Amino acid sequence: DGGITQSPKYLFRKEGQNVTLSCEQNLNHDAMYWYRQDPGQGLRLIYYSQIVNDFQKGDIAEGYSVSREKKESFPLTVTSAQKNPTAFYLCASSIESTGTYEQYFGPGTRLTVT
Amino acid sequence: GDSVTQMEGPVTLSEEAFLTINCTYTATGYPSLFWYVQYPGEGLQLLLKATKADDKGSNKGFEATYRKETTSFHLEKGSVQVSDSAVYFCALSGVVRTSGSRLTFGEGTQLTVNP
Repeated sequence: DGGITQSPKYLFRKEGQNVTLSCEQNLNHDAMYWYRQDPGQGLRLIYYSQIVNDFQKGDIAEGYSVSREKKESFPLTVTSAQKNPTAFYLCASSIESTGTYEQYFGPGTRLTVT
Repeated sequence: GDSVTQMEGPVTLSEEAFLTINCTYTATGYPSLFWYVQYPGEGLQLLLKATKADDKGSNKGFEATYRKETTSFHLEKGSVQVSDSAVYFCALSGVVRTSGSRLTFGEGTQLTVNP
């Protein structure tokens, strides 16, 4: 089955440590995205990548970094510079379909930093 | 820039009640419009979409019509079930024809359906 996998589902880290969240897709989609969701709030775009070896900052990129070395993979690193890293992180991918850009989401990773 | 406004929640209904969740948007040109649903602790699932004016998207008993004259895409369902309890997000994609496009999301509306 095609889809997007994120691992792990729950992640715990101590303050001051960097942590990398995994996102893999086997949908052959060109574009991939990372969002942050805080309790009771909508989604905020962190980074996105439209092709391999290229990515752009979203609305809240400070304290995060990404890489896109393979079409299937788009890992997100939450650095110690991110002031409030505890959140639910969602990865998505998209491909043009009949002129739309609908995005498909992974199950998410809940990160807790103490 | 593009923006999406959803009705404030939470919304609480009894089973078999009629549901409307309002969504209005601001965008240049003719964006595509989406409704996504998020069940507790999970990612978002695409519920329905519409790509041009007067299109009606439908899925699982939910419907929404793309109204350009009122810049709206309200979500409706004639008879809700307890299993419809979730957070619903309205979203739009821009018209820039690149490989992949940013989505602009509303804040989400929490729906709770009681038996």
